[in-house]
Amino acid sequence: GENVEQHPSTLSVQEGDSAVIKCTYSDSASNYFPWYKQELGKGPQLIIDIRSNVGEKKDQRIAVTLNKTAKHFSLHITETQPEDSAVYFCAARSDYKLSFGAGTTVTVRA
Amino acid sequence: EAQVTQNPRYLITVTGKKLTVTCSQNMNHEYMSWYRQDPGLGLRQIYYSMNVEVTDKGDVPEGYKVSRKEKRNFPLILESPSPNQTSLYFCASSYSRGATEAFFGQGTRLTVV
Repeated sequence: GENVEQHPSTLSVQEGDSAVIKCTYSDSASNYFPWYKQELGKGPQLIIDIRSNVGEKKDQRIAVTLNKTAKHFSLHITETQPEDSAVYFCAARSDYKLSFGAGTTVTVRA
Repeated sequence: EAQVTQNPRYLITVTGKKLTVTCSQNMNHEYMSWYRQDPGLGLRQIYYSMNVEVTDKGDVPEGYKVSRKEKRNFPLILESPSPNQTSLYFCASSYSRGATEAFFGQGTRLTVV
């Protein structure tokens, strides 16, 4: 089955700086890669996703890149703000099954 | 408002006492699933359902049961809870199994003592 590894497990950044979270996956058949944000006391919420036929996708301050050859994908948050503090999960879907990374706790320091 | 509702939000119980965590969605979604979230392990799927009366095991189904008698409801049943089932549980739904976005409930924090 699919195995998704996510790094780092914690990330502290100064407000205004960029944050980068990296994930690797094992199953070359995976074709869909969503990122979820989980705020304290809430369920995960989809923030951006990318399909295997696309190398990069951007939505305002967040962007995701995908390298299918190397089997890794990354989330980039620019100009971080306090409301970006949360736990972020990457996931990979293979044969309709979503496998999640372990999560990254992002703290934005004011 | 489109949402997935779980109850209860918090539950402390004793080993062996049967419990049910309810999940309801108001989006007429076909696909529903249960996850548990544990530190360092992310979200792991327990069971999923592709439609009414169609359920199947996920990655960690041992000790859990589910049922899907109605499209909107997907309860998680722990017949004889044990301490290793202490976890944060999430119900999720999506339009279909292949749909891109999954909507998650707010979670149920379960402690088994």
